[in-house]
Amino acid sequence: EIVLTQSPGTLSLSPGERATLSCRASQSVNSNYLAWYQQKPGQAPRLLIYDTSTRATGIPDRFSGSGSGTDFTLTISRLEPEDFAVYYCQQCGNSPPYTFGQGTKLEIK
Amino acid sequence: EVQLVESGGGLVQPGGSLRLSCAASGFTFSNYYMDWVRQAPGKGLEWVGRIRNKANGYSMDYVASVKGRFTISRDDSQSSVFLQMNSLKIEDTAVYYCARIMLGSMKPFDYWGQGALVTVSS
Repeated sequence: EIVLTQSPGTLSLSPGERATLSCRASQSVNSNYLAWYQQKPGQAPRLLIYDTSTRATGIPDRFSGSGSGTDFTLTISRLEPEDFAVYYCQQCGNSPPYTFGQGTKLEIK
Repeated sequence: EVQLVESGGGLVQPGGSLRLSCAASGFTFSNYYMDWVRQAPGKGLEWVGRIRNKANGYSMDYVASVKGRFTISRDDSQSSVFLQMNSLKIEDTAVYYCARIMLGSMKPFDYWGQGALVTVSS
């Protein structure tokens, strides 16, 4: 089972700033099949990025993903008020279980 | 418009059973793999299990913690997926989401339901 560790646990930033979220895997993620989701309170998660760096439909280009192997990053170039939420990474490419990271909470400073 | 609507959640005693349903619309349901993901109160996301499509034999996988207790099934004629939960434990308390796997190889969840709350308590 691949264990995904996200850091930091909480990130406090102001609107307009750049956010960098990390996801580290316990073993290499198959062909970089790594996804990122955003979840707001009381809502289901929303897909942001898949295959490490492909934005899902309708996701603004201030969201970008990068990485390979065991180290992946989600970057939000300029934070908007609606971006403050919890973010999860997920590995989709290896055998089940299709594990999630524990989440990074992005909060307003 | 793609929609996934869960139903069947509620309060159940430890050791009891519950069956969740997820009704899909807005897409050709039979083509897609469908998963269940859960989220305990105040906690992160946990993948529960998957059922593949007919072309892949309706095969299923489960997380170890529910194997032998939970069963996923589907009815393509009704565009629905189900999660039968038996021998429920307190730690199964969570919001349960059904989610559609994007078409293609090793893809993520592109659509989610709104979730169904399952509370296991005496």
